Amino acid sequence: QKEVEQDPGPLSVPEGAIVSLNCTYSNSAFQYFMWYRQYSRKGPELLMYTYSSGNKEDGRFTAQVDKSSKYISLFIRDSQPSDSATYLCAMRPSGTYKYIFGTGTRLKVLA
Amino acid sequence: GAGVSQTPSNKVTEKGKYVELRCDPISGHTALYWYRQSLGQGPEFLIYFQGTGAADDSGLPNDRFFAVRPEGSVSTLKIQRTERGDSAVYLCASSGGRGETQYFGPGTRLLVL
Repeated sequence: QKEVEQDPGPLSVPEGAIVSLNCTYSNSAFQYFMWYRQYSRKGPELLMYTYSSGNKEDGRFTAQVDKSSKYISLFIRDSQPSDSATYLCAMRPSGTYKYIFGTGTRLKVLA
Repeated sequence: GAGVSQTPSNKVTEKGKYVELRCDPISGHTALYWYRQSLGQGPEFLIYFQGTGAADDSGLPNDRFFAVRPEGSVSTLKIQRTERGDSAVYLCASSGGRGETQYFGPGTRLLVL
C-alpha cells in the first residue's frame, strides 16, 4: 500500500462546475500538506499549503485537511478550461523535508 | 527574477553510459531538492540539500546515483552505468529555507536506450 493514495482520473467536468480532488494517506505523522498543479511537460506549481488540520481558502481554491480521517481535499470553484491539468497532493512529517507525492489526478474542464 | 532552470531539457543516452543533470536554483534559495517522475506518477523524492550538504539522501535508489552542490547554489545529479529503468523526468526544486514553498524547474527528460 502506498503512503499516499490519489485517484488518477481522468476527471471531466463542464466549465463552471465545482471540482473536488482528494487524497488519503496512511502515515499519521504527516503534518504539512500541499496541492500542486502540473501542466503537461512542465514542473509542478504550488497552489495551496496547509499545516495540520483545517481549511484554507485562496480565491477559487479551498484546501481541507481532516487528520482524523487521514484525508485531504482540494475544491475548485467556477472551474475554467485553463484549470485542465494534473493535480498532485504532497505531504511530509515534521522534522523531515522528504515530501511524499500522490500519483496525481488528471482534470479536464470542458468549455 | 528567474525561476529554477534545468539543463539539458532532454537527454538521450545509451545503457551503461554516465550522465550529469544540472539544476540552477532561484538565487538565494538555500534548500534544493531532486525528484524523479515517471510517466503517470507523482514526483518521487531523491535528495534534499540545505546549503552545500545533503541533509537527506534517503531517496536515492542505489549507489549509481549521486548528487553534489559544492557552492550551495548549482547542483548536479550524476547517474553512473545508466539503465533503461532510469528513464524518467528528473525535477529540481528550490526553496528559501527549511520547509518553505518549493519552486520547481521544468525538468530534464532522460531516455536511456
